[in-house]
Amino acid sequence: KQEVTQIPAALSVPEGENLVLNCSFTDSAIYNLQWFRQDPGKGLTSLLLIQSSQREQTSGRLNASLDKSSGRSTLYIAASQPGDSATYLCAVGGPTGGGNKLTFGTGTQLKVEL
Amino acid sequence: EAQVTQNPRYLITVTGKKLTVTCSQNMNHEYMSWYRQDPGLGLRQIYYSMNVEVTDKGDVPEGYKVSRKEKRNFPLILESPSPNQTSLYFCASSHETGGLEQYFGPGTRLTVT
Repeated sequence: KQEVTQIPAALSVPEGENLVLNCSFTDSAIYNLQWFRQDPGKGLTSLLLIQSSQREQTSGRLNASLDKSSGRSTLYIAASQPGDSATYLCAVGGPTGGGNKLTFGTGTQLKVEL
Repeated sequence: EAQVTQNPRYLITVTGKKLTVTCSQNMNHEYMSWYRQDPGLGLRQIYYSMNVEVTDKGDVPEGYKVSRKEKRNFPLILESPSPNQTSLYFCASSHETGGLEQYFGPGTRLTVT
């Protein structure tokens, strides 16, 4: 059974700092990995999707990497801003249920302080 | 605008009173699913549907039903809600093949007393 772990559970950083969020998964036979952002009381916003054949994806100040063989992904946030404060969720697609079935980590709660 | 909508957004009900949470998507996605989110447990899949009239259980299906009579709609039915079904529920959709990027609805916060 796929298990996804995110470390740290919470993180507080000063504005402007670069930071890395970590995600690990137990079964490397995945189809994809997706990073989401969740604001309090809100839904999930997709940030980046990495296919199993890819090593990384970038969007603006965000860069996500994937190392399938070691079961790890990182989300790098450059020049953090207070508006980046949210919970970041990592989710892997597969192996069971195909790539559509996501197994989620419990998230990293990020606070960026002025 | 491409989106997944859910209704209602908030619901307080009593044990045993049947309820339905609706989900609709306008992206012509084949795959739709329901998740529940609980503190410390993350999001867990309840049911999913690969296409019209094709549904199957996820990881935590007990106490729930679903139907998929139209491609755009995937309602979640709680026939006899219990307090342990108090949770935040999300509907999601994606294409069955290809990139498989998942799109989530805004969530429905359900409280069963």
